[in-house]
Order: sequence, then C-alpha cells, then structure tokens
Amino acid sequence: DTAVSQTPKYLVTQMGNDKSIKCEQNLGHDTMYWYKQDSKKFLKIMFSYNNKELIINETVPNRFSPKSPDKAHLNLHINSLELGDSAVYFCASSQGNPWGFAEAFFGQGTRLTVV
Amino acid sequence: QKEVEQDPGPLSVPEGAIVSLNCTYSNSAFQYFMWYRQYSRKGPELLMYTYSSGNKEDGRFTAQVDKSSKYISLFIRDSQPSDSATYLCAMSPGAGYALNFGKGTSLLVTP
Repeated sequence: DTAVSQTPKYLVTQMGNDKSIKCEQNLGHDTMYWYKQDSKKFLKIMFSYNNKELIINETVPNRFSPKSPDKAHLNLHINSLELGDSAVYFCASSQGNPWGFAEAFFGQGTRLTVV
Repeated sequence: QKEVEQDPGPLSVPEGAIVSLNCTYSNSAFQYFMWYRQYSRKGPELLMYTYSSGNKEDGRFTAQVDKSSKYISLFIRDSQPSDSATYLCAMSPGAGYALNFGKGTSLLVTP
C-alpha cells in the first residue's frame, strides 16, 4: 500500500493554465507538506498543514494555493502557470511529536513541465 | 548564504570504497539532523537521523554530527552499486518543523 500518493505523476501544460496536484496519505499523520524540487535537485518547503490548518507558508507566489479538506489530504492548486514553475513537487507527511523526532514520508513526486 | 550547504558532486567511487558525504549549516537552532536517499524519479526516503551531536551507526552507514562546527557527515562502508543515488542532508529545529534540505550529493558506485 502506498503511504503517500500524489496524482498526477506527470503534468505537462501550457503557460497561463491553472492546474491542481492531489496528495493523500494513509498513515494517519496529522501534518502534511508541499516541497518543490528544482532542476538542481534542491528541495524547498512551500507549505505545511497541521490538522487542516496552515502552519508554514514560505515565500511562495500567491498563485499557489494549498487546500486541506481533511488531515489525510493536501492539494496544491496553481493559477496562471509560468515557465519557472516547472519542477518536481513532493508531498510529505509526518506525525507531530512534541517530545522528539518525527520521520517525514514523501510521495513519489509530480513532475510539472510548463511549456 | 543558504542555511544548509552540501556539495552536489557528482561523486564516483568503485564498489567496496568508503564514501564520505558532508553538509555544513548556519542555523544553530537545528537539533535534528537527517540523511535522506533519493533514487532517480523517486521521493526521498529517510536513511538515518541523529539528535544533537554525536554518532549513530546502522549497518554500513554511520552518521556524525558536530554542532560546535555546524558540520554533519554520512559515511558508507563497503559501498555497493545499489547505493548509487542522491543523498540529501536535512535539518530541523524540532518536531513538527519543516525540513531544511541541502542540495543533495549525487553518488555513483561502479562495479
């Protein structure tokens, strides 16, 4: 069973379009994340949700809007896509642990190409 | 200056070699230090984590953290072709915080 699953795996779209990426985790975790990995493999946090509430919102254009309908799902909607948005987007989840370490589990990534 | 610096390589070694991967960081608030392995076209997977300074060993892998120098290392003994992947160091101040990643080091172990 896939722990963190993202759809679609590949997405090719034209500049100016609006697209969504979906993420679901079946681990019972309470925290979910979106990371962006650029062409140089650098992974950078975009958003984090805990129990459906936004807790981290890094400097990301407001064309990117995350939505968490419940704690098992975190979707990413992108408006007016630009060439620079081309990257691999990873969803991840972890279980909050105020006393120690919590492993983050990653999905397989969504490879977005804007043409 | 990025908070976490990591030499992207690529690093190519013969099978059986000892591999040393390193990261430096600038944020003294980091308490958890992790190494993730990422195979091509896959998501990162946790290899090891260490809390604060010290060493941790797991099979052929050893992680070291030196907080006084803000320097962490991952050693791979008896490297295998199946170890060929990108290794990413990651750090966080505590539980529930997002991870701060290095750029990753691409490792190729040749038979």
